[in-house]
Amino acid sequence: QVQLLESGPGLVKPSETLSLTCTVSGGSISSYYWTWIRQPPGKGLEWIGYIYYSGSASYNPSLTSRVTISVDTSKNQFSLKLSSVTAADTAMYYCAMGFDLWGQGTLVTVSS
Amino acid sequence: EIVLTQSPGTLSLSPGERATLSCRASQSVSSSYLAWFQQKPGQAPRLLIFATSSRATGIPDRFSGSGSGTDFTLIISRLEPEDFAVYYCQQYGTSPWTFGQGTKVEIK
Repeated sequence: QVQLLESGPGLVKPSETLSLTCTVSGGSISSYYWTWIRQPPGKGLEWIGYIYYSGSASYNPSLTSRVTISVDTSKNQFSLKLSSVTAADTAMYYCAMGFDLWGQGTLVTVSS
Repeated sequence: EIVLTQSPGTLSLSPGERATLSCRASQSVSSSYLAWFQQKPGQAPRLLIFATSSRATGIPDRFSGSGSGTDFTLIISRLEPEDFAVYYCQQYGTSPWTFGQGTKVEIK
């Protein structure tokens, strides 16, 4: 049974870079594609981007200037970096296998 | 980007009743790449339906999806107590993937 677990700081200062990692267990990351999605408190869902195990990525145009998704097949992990964050980036961040299976999410708050 | 508009915003029904949720797209959804998710408070969304009408693994057959082009529907044939939640539609045929704003199915 594949499981995904997000990890990273829960608090990030404005203008800094948000960095999260998703660890995949129970299966290999060297297949399929891997996604980041976020949800501001009390609001709807926003697709951030995805990456194939080969390293090819696609991003939401609204975030593309600030976002990088990378994959580390040796660690069975993929990561999200979002630069120049503001309060508007405060959200629950989810990683997912495609969009079939989601991690539990991790709340990131942007505040000084 | 494709904007998805879900209706109604809230659906108040009793267990055993039928729920009909609508998702309308601002332009045609490519290859019927439309999915539905269920989200309960404090939980991650769970995939129910993909490719408009295919149930995800383990999803009971009281959930069914239909539609094409710009109009899509999720039907829950007989509401069980565990079905009261927020439901989102999503299109993944055109980048950027987009989600509807959600329909809350609440107990009447």
